[in-house]
Amino acid sequence: EPEVTQTPSHQVTQMGQEVILRCVPISNHLYFYWYRQILGQKVEFLVSFYNNEISEKSEIFDDQFSVERPDGSNFTLKIRSTKLEDSAMYFCASSVTKNYGYTFGSGTRLTVV
Amino acid sequence: QKEVEQDPGPLSVPEGAIVSLNCTYSNSAFQYFMWYRQYSRKGPELLMYTYSSGNKEDGRFTAQVDKSSKYISLFIRDSQPSDSATYLCAMSSNNAGNMLTFGGGTRLMVKP
Repeated sequence: EPEVTQTPSHQVTQMGQEVILRCVPISNHLYFYWYRQILGQKVEFLVSFYNNEISEKSEIFDDQFSVERPDGSNFTLKIRSTKLEDSAMYFCASSVTKNYGYTFGSGTRLTVV
Repeated sequence: QKEVEQDPGPLSVPEGAIVSLNCTYSNSAFQYFMWYRQYSRKGPELLMYTYSSGNKEDGRFTAQVDKSSKYISLFIRDSQPSDSATYLCAMSSNNAGNMLTFGGGTRLMVKP
């Protein structure tokens, strides 16, 4: 069964450093997303991406965050200057159509120290 | 009022029991309703997807949506220890584009 692949599975970074989280969505999917889940809290929407541009973003997705699809397969989330409160599981997801149930990756656990 | 609410549990049931999981929501614009299963330290896995009101059945799982009450349910028949996980409801609307709004999840434990 097709999967969304995320790397790395766990990343530890120092506060103020830049991190790039990587995702390979399912190949025939057109919509791409990033969500995050702080430990013990709800899964929260960050951003959606379609046709090589951001289609929606939440209030969490401020100027410190950016997304990119650098080639035909990868989808990345960059956090420019990490803060302690950015520590969370970050999930990439993709879908064939809008509003249909997404396929999530296994997540990258980001720890900011 | 929180947009999507779920009882966090834990809900503990014996193997073979029928499980009922529920969510309430406040946004009447929600039209797309999903249930995800999440194992510890893993990503959510889509179980059921329902558009608007009504019932949908898939194997041991039945999803119900009552838009008039703003209430959705997931029933699991003949529950198994492997069903032990956190169950998340999620929903979206045409107005919200592609954004899913999740409930906080209900932790289910099925005891052998």
